[in-house]
Amino acid sequence: SQELEQSPQSLIVQEGKNLTINCTSSKTLYGLYWYKQKYGEGLIFLMMLQKGGEEKSHEKITAKLDEKKQQSSLHITASQPSHAGIYLCGADLNNRLAFGKGNQVVVIP
Amino acid sequence: DGGITQSPKYLFRKEGQNVTLSCEQNLNHDAMYWYRQDPGQGLRLIYYSQIVNDFQKGDIAEGYSVSREKKESFPLTVTSAQKNPTAFYLCASSIAAGGYNEQFFGPGTRLTVL
Repeated sequence: SQELEQSPQSLIVQEGKNLTINCTSSKTLYGLYWYKQKYGEGLIFLMMLQKGGEEKSHEKITAKLDEKKQQSSLHITASQPSHAGIYLCGADLNNRLAFGKGNQVVVIP
Repeated sequence: DGGITQSPKYLFRKEGQNVTLSCEQNLNHDAMYWYRQDPGQGLRLIYYSQIVNDFQKGDIAEGYSVSREKKESFPLTVTSAQKNPTAFYLCASSIAAGGYNEQFFGPGTRLTVL
């Protein structure tokens, strides 16, 4: 069974619009990572969240970890073509980094 | 520049042949990992190594083998026993083992079996 569920699986947004993607676990998350991947390339680290209620921002991307530490959301403000790609969440589960299946984001002009 | 390199970027092999994928890091990281990624799937752990001369099986180790003779290098061999080897392979490293340590990823190798 998938330990990390990401939703929606894919998302198409118009350039300039905001979007939110989610990563959910049935277990408490100790260390939640967000990575971005362009097709056929490696993963680029975006940010890491550890504390319940924590929120971090980088440029137009904001990620939050809920108080219960079982769900994280990633919000992109005023999306641009450079935001297109696959967003993967990873978390420390059973002392390993487990990954969700990813959210595919497409930005159309 | 510090980082992780994987070679080659694209690899083709015939059925029944073994093939070795290279992974090198100059980050002075103790831990290294190999993942497999299939379309629409997340990353699945094949093997990992916490320190030189030591490695453990991940979730899908069957048909794969690794070695860790040097801290900088963690090559992955895809053997003929792997029934469905066509996939995108990613190597990663972290300063130490454990899911709480950020992993740095290489650019990946796409293996196609003809």
